[in-house]
Amino acid sequence: EAQVTQNPRYLITVTGKKLTVTCSQNMNHEYMSWYRQDPGLGLRQIYYSMNVEVTDKGDVPEGYKVSRKEKRNFPLILESPSPNQTSLYFCASSFFSGAVYEQYFGPGTRLTVT
Amino acid sequence: TQLLEQSPQFLSIQEGENLTVYCNSSSVFSSLQWYRQEPGEGPVLLVTVVTGGEVKKLKRLTFQFGDARKDSSLHITAAQPGDTGLYLCAGAGGRNRDDKIIFGKGTRLHILP
Repeated sequence: EAQVTQNPRYLITVTGKKLTVTCSQNMNHEYMSWYRQDPGLGLRQIYYSMNVEVTDKGDVPEGYKVSRKEKRNFPLILESPSPNQTSLYFCASSFFSGAVYEQYFGPGTRLTVT
Repeated sequence: TQLLEQSPQFLSIQEGENLTVYCNSSSVFSSLQWYRQEPGEGPVLLVTVVTGGEVKKLKRLTFQFGDARKDSSLHITAAQPGDTGLYLCAGAGGRNRDDKIIFGKGTRLHILP
């Protein structure tokens, strides 16, 4: 079954404790992306990757890191989480075809930073 | 800053009625996607429009891309409770950044039985 998986689904942590949210896709997609979704602000792109070893900043990259060492995996790293990073996070993947991005989304990770 | 503005933000109508929601921008996009999101889940792709003036139909849903590729609309005929959800539009390829994607804030649709 074609899918994007994220782990964990729920996470409560404390300020400053490094964490990683994993994302994996089994569709051989070149493009992968991380978003956060907040009430009143909608979905905002954090980072994206056009292919292995190619990453770029989205609209809200501050406080986040990503890596793309393998095509299927795109982890999101919060080196020193802060309460303003409490949010619902989505990973997504897509084929890249002439600026047409038909994204498949993971189930989401609800992060609370206290 | 590029923006995709969706209207209305909220819409609550009776089953059987028709409705249209809009996605507007001052920027030209190479393509626009429409997604539907249920509570607690990730968005699910409904359709992609690419060509200016393009119309696509998905059962009772009709999607249109503006001639100038700056706006799009979603029309639902005879809405049903199963259509309830958050409808999002997303665009790529604006302002010379083909690879950066932006989303509108969405239209939250509630169909009353």
